[in-house]
Amino acid sequence: QVRLVESGGGVVQPGGSLRLSCAASGFSFNVRGMDWVRQPPGKGLEWVAFIQFDGSDKRYVDSVKGRFTISRDNSNNTLYLQMNDLRAEDTAVYYCVKDQANSWNFDYWGQGALVTVSS
Amino acid sequence: QSALTQPPSASGSPGQSVTISCTGTSSDVGGYNYVSWFQQFPGKAPKLIIYEVIKRPSGVPDRFSGSKSGNTASLTVSGLQAEDEADYYCSSYAGSNNWVFGTGTKVTVL
Repeated sequence: QVRLVESGGGVVQPGGSLRLSCAASGFSFNVRGMDWVRQPPGKGLEWVAFIQFDGSDKRYVDSVKGRFTISRDNSNNTLYLQMNDLRAEDTAVYYCVKDQANSWNFDYWGQGALVTVSS
Repeated sequence: QSALTQPPSASGSPGQSVTISCTGTSSDVGGYNYVSWFQQFPGKAPKLIIYEVIKRPSGVPDRFSGSKSGNTASLTVSGLQAEDEADYYCSSYAGSNNWVFGTGTKVTVL
Protein backbone atom coordinates (compact mmCIF):
# COMPACT_ATOMS: atom_id res chain seq x y z
CA GLN A 1 0.00 0.00 0.00
CA VAL A 2 1.06 3.61 -0.52
CA ARG A 3 3.10 5.02 2.34
CA LEU A 4 4.50 8.53 2.71
CA VAL A 5 6.59 9.28 5.80
CA GLU A 6 7.79 12.81 6.48
CA SER A 7 10.75 13.68 8.68
CA GLY A 8 12.92 16.67 9.49
CA GLY A 9 10.41 18.91 11.23
CA GLY A 10 11.27 20.86 14.34
CA VAL A 11 11.75 24.28 15.89
CA VAL A 12 13.84 26.87 14.05
CA GLN A 13 14.51 30.55 14.60
CA PRO A 14 13.26 33.18 12.16
CA GLY A 15 15.67 33.44 9.26
CA GLY A 16 16.82 29.87 9.75
CA SER A 17 16.69 26.85 7.47
CA LEU A 18 15.23 23.37 7.61
CA ARG A 19 14.99 20.46 5.19
CA LEU A 20 12.01 18.13 5.16
CA SER A 21 12.21 14.63 3.70
CA CYS A 22 9.46 12.28 2.61
CA ALA A 23 10.17 8.57 2.17
CA ALA A 24 7.76 7.04 -0.33
CA SER A 25 6.86 3.39 -0.81
CA GLY A 26 4.12 1.21 -2.23
CA PHE A 27 3.98 2.82 -5.68
CA SER A 28 6.20 3.72 -8.61
CA PHE A 29 7.66 6.94 -7.21
CA ASN A 30 9.61 7.78 -10.35
CA VAL A 31 6.52 8.17 -12.54
CA ARG A 32 4.42 10.31 -10.25
CA GLY A 33 4.33 14.04 -9.57
CA MET A 34 4.60 14.99 -5.88
CA ASP A 35 3.64 17.99 -3.79
CA TRP A 36 4.01 19.62 -0.41
CA VAL A 37 0.90 21.01 1.28
CA ARG A 38 0.95 22.84 4.62
CA GLN A 39 -1.54 23.60 7.36
CA PRO A 40 -0.88 26.25 10.01
CA PRO A 41 -2.15 25.30 13.48
CA GLY A 42 -5.95 25.59 13.57
CA LYS A 43 -6.12 26.84 9.98
CA GLY A 44 -6.77 25.54 6.48
CA LEU A 45 -4.70 23.74 3.88
CA GLU A 46 -2.35 25.56 1.51
CA TRP A 47 -0.64 24.05 -1.51
CA VAL A 48 3.07 24.90 -1.30
CA ALA A 49 5.01 23.23 -4.10
CA PHE A 50 4.91 20.68 -6.95
CA ILE A 51 7.61 18.67 -8.69
CA GLN A 52 7.21 16.73 -11.93
CA PHE A 53 7.95 12.99 -11.87
CA ASP A 54 11.42 13.56 -13.34
CA GLY A 55 12.12 16.87 -11.62
CA SER A 56 11.81 18.75 -14.90
CA ASP A 57 9.13 21.14 -13.66
CA LYS A 58 8.81 22.77 -10.24
CA ARG A 59 6.11 25.19 -9.08
CA TYR A 60 5.59 27.17 -5.88
CA VAL A 61 2.97 29.26 -4.15
CA ASP A 62 3.95 32.92 -4.34
CA SER A 63 4.62 33.24 -0.60
CA VAL A 64 7.54 30.77 -0.67
CA LYS A 65 9.09 31.54 -4.05
CA GLY A 66 12.79 32.23 -3.71
CA ARG A 67 12.90 30.74 -0.20
CA PHE A 68 11.75 27.11 -0.61
CA THR A 69 13.10 24.49 -3.03
CA ILE A 70 11.39 21.21 -3.82
CA SER A 71 13.51 18.31 -5.10
CA ARG A 72 13.46 14.55 -5.38
CA ASP A 73 15.76 11.53 -5.49
CA ASN A 74 14.08 8.88 -7.60
CA SER A 75 16.82 6.36 -6.89
CA ASN A 76 15.91 6.50 -3.19
CA ASN A 77 12.17 7.23 -3.51
CA THR A 78 12.52 10.41 -1.49
CA LEU A 79 10.98 13.87 -1.80
CA TYR A 80 12.54 16.93 -0.21
CA LEU A 81 11.61 20.47 0.74
CA GLN A 82 14.47 22.83 1.52
CA MET A 83 13.15 25.80 3.47
CA ASN A 84 15.34 28.90 3.88
CA ASP A 85 14.76 32.32 5.43
CA LEU A 86 11.94 30.89 7.49
CA ARG A 87 9.30 33.22 8.91
CA ALA A 88 6.76 32.89 11.70
CA GLU A 89 4.03 32.52 9.11
CA ASP A 90 5.71 29.36 7.79
CA THR A 91 4.80 27.59 11.03
CA ALA A 92 2.63 24.66 9.98
CA VAL A 93 2.26 20.93 9.58
CA TYR A 94 3.81 20.08 6.22
CA TYR A 95 2.29 17.16 4.32
CA CYS A 96 3.94 15.16 1.56
CA VAL A 97 1.30 14.42 -1.08
CA LYS A 98 1.20 12.07 -4.05
CA ASP A 99 -0.41 13.10 -7.32
CA GLN A 100 -3.03 10.82 -8.80
CA ALA A 101 -2.18 8.96 -12.00
CA ASN A 102 -3.45 10.55 -15.23
CA SER A 103 -5.10 13.37 -13.35
CA TRP A 104 -4.45 16.61 -11.57
CA ASN A 105 -5.59 15.53 -8.12
CA PHE A 106 -3.90 14.52 -4.89
CA ASP A 107 -4.68 11.01 -3.70
CA TYR A 108 -2.40 10.01 -0.82
CA TRP A 109 -1.04 12.08 2.06
CA GLY A 110 1.68 11.49 4.63
CA GLN A 111 1.06 11.97 8.34
CA GLY A 112 2.72 15.39 8.33
CA ALA A 113 5.75 17.05 9.92
CA LEU A 114 5.43 20.05 12.22
CA VAL A 115 7.65 23.02 11.53
CA THR A 116 7.67 25.77 14.17
CA VAL A 117 9.41 29.06 13.46
CA SER A 118 9.95 30.89 16.71
CA SER A 119 12.64 32.76 18.60
CA GLN B 1 -3.65 32.10 -5.97
CA SER B 2 -6.56 33.12 -3.75
CA ALA B 3 -8.17 30.42 -1.64
CA LEU B 4 -11.47 28.99 -2.78
CA THR B 5 -14.41 30.14 -0.66
CA GLN B 6 -16.24 27.65 1.55
CA PRO B 7 -18.74 28.31 4.35
CA PRO B 8 -16.99 28.05 7.74
CA SER B 9 -19.55 25.63 9.10
CA ALA B 10 -22.45 23.37 8.17
CA SER B 11 -24.62 21.09 10.25
CA GLY B 12 -27.40 18.57 10.10
CA SER B 13 -29.13 15.91 12.12
CA PRO B 14 -28.42 12.22 11.59
CA GLY B 15 -30.07 11.01 8.40
CA GLN B 16 -30.32 14.47 6.89
CA SER B 17 -28.29 15.86 4.01
CA VAL B 18 -25.76 18.65 4.11
CA THR B 19 -24.25 20.43 1.12
CA ILE B 20 -21.01 22.40 1.16
CA SER B 21 -20.16 24.90 -1.55
CA CYS B 22 -16.72 25.75 -2.92
CA THR B 23 -16.53 28.93 -4.99
CA GLY B 24 -13.60 29.85 -7.15
CA THR B 25 -13.06 31.52 -10.50
CA SER B 26 -12.90 30.63 -14.17
CA SER B 27 -9.14 30.13 -13.66
CA ASP B 28 -9.60 27.22 -11.27
CA VAL B 29 -12.96 25.61 -10.41
CA GLY B 30 -14.71 26.89 -13.53
CA GLY B 31 -11.85 26.13 -15.85
CA TYR B 32 -11.09 22.51 -15.02
CA ASN B 33 -12.92 19.35 -13.98
CA TYR B 34 -10.23 18.66 -11.41
CA VAL B 35 -12.03 19.52 -8.20
CA SER B 36 -11.36 17.27 -5.22
CA TRP B 37 -12.80 17.05 -1.73
CA PHE B 38 -10.94 15.94 1.37
CA GLN B 39 -12.18 14.88 4.80
CA GLN B 40 -9.97 15.67 7.79
CA PHE B 41 -10.34 14.60 11.40
CA PRO B 42 -8.53 16.48 14.19
CA GLY B 43 -4.84 15.67 14.26
CA LYS B 44 -5.06 13.49 11.16
CA ALA B 45 -4.03 13.87 7.54
CA PRO B 46 -6.70 14.73 4.97
CA LYS B 47 -8.33 11.86 3.09
CA LEU B 48 -9.54 12.04 -0.50
CA ILE B 49 -13.29 11.46 -0.79
CA ILE B 50 -14.17 12.98 -4.20
CA TYR B 51 -11.98 13.66 -7.22
CA GLU B 52 -12.56 15.01 -10.71
CA VAL B 53 -15.73 16.69 -9.42
CA ILE B 54 -17.90 13.59 -9.14
CA LYS B 55 -15.74 10.47 -8.75
CA ARG B 56 -15.38 8.51 -5.51
CA PRO B 57 -12.25 6.51 -4.62
CA SER B 58 -12.93 2.90 -3.75
CA GLY B 59 -14.05 2.50 -0.16
CA VAL B 60 -15.72 5.90 0.10
CA PRO B 61 -19.44 5.51 0.85
CA ASP B 62 -21.86 6.60 -1.89
CA ARG B 63 -23.41 8.96 0.67
CA PHE B 64 -20.72 11.38 -0.51
CA SER B 65 -21.34 13.01 -3.88
CA GLY B 66 -19.91 15.93 -5.79
CA SER B 67 -21.10 18.33 -8.45
CA LYS B 68 -20.13 21.55 -10.18
CA SER B 69 -21.88 24.45 -11.83
CA GLY B 70 -19.84 27.26 -13.29
CA ASN B 71 -17.27 28.47 -10.77
CA THR B 72 -18.87 26.66 -7.82
CA ALA B 73 -18.40 23.05 -6.82
CA SER B 74 -20.43 21.30 -4.15
CA LEU B 75 -20.11 18.31 -1.84
CA THR B 76 -23.26 16.66 -0.56
CA VAL B 77 -23.30 14.24 2.33
CA SER B 78 -26.57 12.32 2.34
CA GLY B 79 -27.84 10.26 5.23
CA LEU B 80 -25.56 12.11 7.64
CA GLN B 81 -23.88 9.94 10.26
CA ALA B 82 -22.07 10.85 13.47
CA GLU B 83 -18.81 9.64 11.93
CA ASP B 84 -19.11 12.29 9.20
CA GLU B 85 -18.36 15.06 11.71
CA ALA B 86 -15.09 16.47 10.41
CA ASP B 87 -13.49 19.29 8.47
CA TYR B 88 -13.96 19.25 4.70
CA TYR B 89 -11.73 20.96 2.15
CA CYS B 90 -12.11 21.38 -1.59
CA SER B 91 -9.20 21.81 -3.95
CA SER B 92 -8.94 22.68 -7.62
CA TYR B 93 -6.30 22.50 -10.27
CA ALA B 94 -5.48 26.06 -11.34
CA GLY B 95 -3.37 25.41 -14.43
CA SER B 96 0.40 25.23 -15.04
CA ASN B 97 0.89 22.68 -12.24
CA ASN B 98 -0.60 24.96 -9.59
CA TRP B 99 -3.37 24.08 -7.15
CA VAL B 100 -5.57 25.96 -4.72
CA PHE B 101 -7.49 24.80 -1.65
CA GLY B 102 -10.74 25.95 -0.14
CA THR B 103 -10.98 27.69 3.20
CA GLY B 104 -12.50 24.63 4.85
CA THR B 105 -15.89 23.76 6.35
CA LYS B 106 -16.51 22.21 9.73
CA VAL B 107 -19.44 19.80 9.55
CA THR B 108 -21.29 19.17 12.80
CA VAL B 109 -23.76 16.35 13.28
CA LEU B 110 -26.42 17.61 15.66
